[in-house]
Amino acid sequence: GAVVSQHPSRVICKSGTSVKIECRSLDFQATTMFWYRQFPKQSLMLMATSNEGSKATYEQGVEKDKFLINHASLTLSTLTVTSAHPEDSSFYICSAPRQGIPYEQYFGPGTRLTVT
Amino acid sequence: DQQVKQNSPSLSVQEGRISILNCDYTNSMFDYFLWYKKYPAEGPTFLISISSIKDKNEDGRFTVFLNKSAKHLSLHIVPSQPGDSAVYFCAASARGNEKLTFGTGTRLTIIP
Repeated sequence: GAVVSQHPSRVICKSGTSVKIECRSLDFQATTMFWYRQFPKQSLMLMATSNEGSKATYEQGVEKDKFLINHASLTLSTLTVTSAHPEDSSFYICSAPRQGIPYEQYFGPGTRLTVT
Repeated sequence: DQQVKQNSPSLSVQEGRISILNCDYTNSMFDYFLWYKKYPAEGPTFLISISSIKDKNEDGRFTVFLNKSAKHLSLHIVPSQPGDSAVYFCAASARGNEKLTFGTGTRLTIIP
C-alpha cells in the first residue's frame, strides 16, 4: 500500500489565492521530505528539501517566499503556493526517503494544481 | 543543464520481447542510480537501483547495467508485459546526498 500520501489530489484555484498541499508519511517517520514539480512531458524538478525542525532548503531559482514549506512533524510536510498564478499550474509531488536506504525514495501520488 | 538525459522520449516493444531503456549522465559525482516507473497522475514507484561499485543488478525481469566510463546506464525488461507500459525515469544521486536528479523520462508502450 501507499507509504506517502498527498492531499488534495487535485485542486483548482483562482489567481491570487493561496493553496496548501499536504504530504504525509504513513507508518514511518521522515525527518526529510522532498518537493518536486513536473510540467507536462518533462522531468521531475526538485524544488526544495523539507527538514523537520529547521528551515527548508530551496533549489536555485525557486522562490522561497512563493513556495512556503513547513515540516510540522516527523510525518507531515506542507507546501503552500502563495498568490498563485496560472504559470504555477503543475503537478506537485512529494517524497520521503526510505528508512535505511535514503536514495530509494517513496513518492506521494501527486497533486494537480490548476490556477485559473 | 540537464545532468541526466533520456534521449528516447518513447519506445514501443512487442509483448514478450526485451525492452531496453537508456540513460546518460554528465556529473561524475553521481554514484547511485535508480529507475522509477510512473503512471499518469500518480507518483513514481521505485523499480531497481545500482551503486557505482557494480556494473549490473538484477531483480526478476528487471536488470540495470552501468557503464561508468561511458556515463551510461540501461534498464532491461524481459519479457515485456502489457503492465509495463508506463513512463520510466532514471535518477541519480551524488555521494551520500539524498537529493535525486531525474531524467526526462521514456514512455514505454508494450504492444500485445
